[in-house]
Amino acid sequence: RKEVEQDPGPFNVPEGATVAFNCTYSNSASQSFFWYRQDCRKEPKLLMSVYSSGNEDGRFTAQLNRASQYISLLIRDSKLSDSATYLCVVNINNNDMRFGAGTRLTVKP
Amino acid sequence: EAQVTQNPRYLITVTGKKLTVTCSQNMNHEYMSWYRQDPGLGLRQIYYSMNVEVTDKGDVPEGYKVSRKEKRNFPLILESPSPNQTSLYFCASGPTGGTGELFFGEGSRLTVL
Repeated sequence: RKEVEQDPGPFNVPEGATVAFNCTYSNSASQSFFWYRQDCRKEPKLLMSVYSSGNEDGRFTAQLNRASQYISLLIRDSKLSDSATYLCVVNINNNDMRFGAGTRLTVKP
Repeated sequence: EAQVTQNPRYLITVTGKKLTVTCSQNMNHEYMSWYRQDPGLGLRQIYYSMNVEVTDKGDVPEGYKVSRKEKRNFPLILESPSPNQTSLYFCASGPTGGTGELFFGEGSRLTVL
C-alpha cells in the first residue's frame, strides 16, 4: 500500500463548479499535511497547509481527519486557471515528506 | 529573487557516462532535498540534507550520490547512469527541515539511452 494515495483523476469540471479531492495516508504518526499545486511541466508549489481544525484560503478549503487518516481539498467556483495537478503531501517526520501521485483537474469553459 | 536553480534543465546521455545535476538556492535554507518524478508514482525522495556536511538517504537512493559542502549547493551525481534513471528530477529547499514549505527548482529532465 502506498504511503499517500490519491485518486489520479482526471477530474473534468465546468467553470464555476465545486470539486473535491481526497487523499489518504497510511502512517498514523504523520505530523503535518499540505496541498501542493503542479502545473504541466512545472515545479510543485505550495497551495496551502492543512490544519487540524480545517482551514480556508479564498475559494480553497482544506480538511484533515486524523481518525480516518485522510485529508481533503475543496475548490469552489472553479476557474480555468485552477487546471493543474494537485499533490497531497504528508510529513512523516522532520525529514520525510511523502507525496501522493497527484490528482489532475481540468476546468473547462 | 528567491529561487532554487537547477542545471541542466534537459539532458540526454548514454548508459555509464557520469553526470552531475547542480542545485543552488539563495534563501539560506538549511534543508535541501532531491526528488524524482515518474508517471503514476509521484515524487520520490532520493537524498536529503539537513545542513552542511549532513546528508541522508531517502526512498530511492540507489545509483545516486550527493554532497553538501556549502549551504547553498546540493549537487546530484549519477556515477553510472542507467535507463531506469530516466526521469524528471526536482531539487527543493526549505527553512525548517521537511516540516514546512518546500521551494522547488524548475526540474531537470534526464534521458539515459
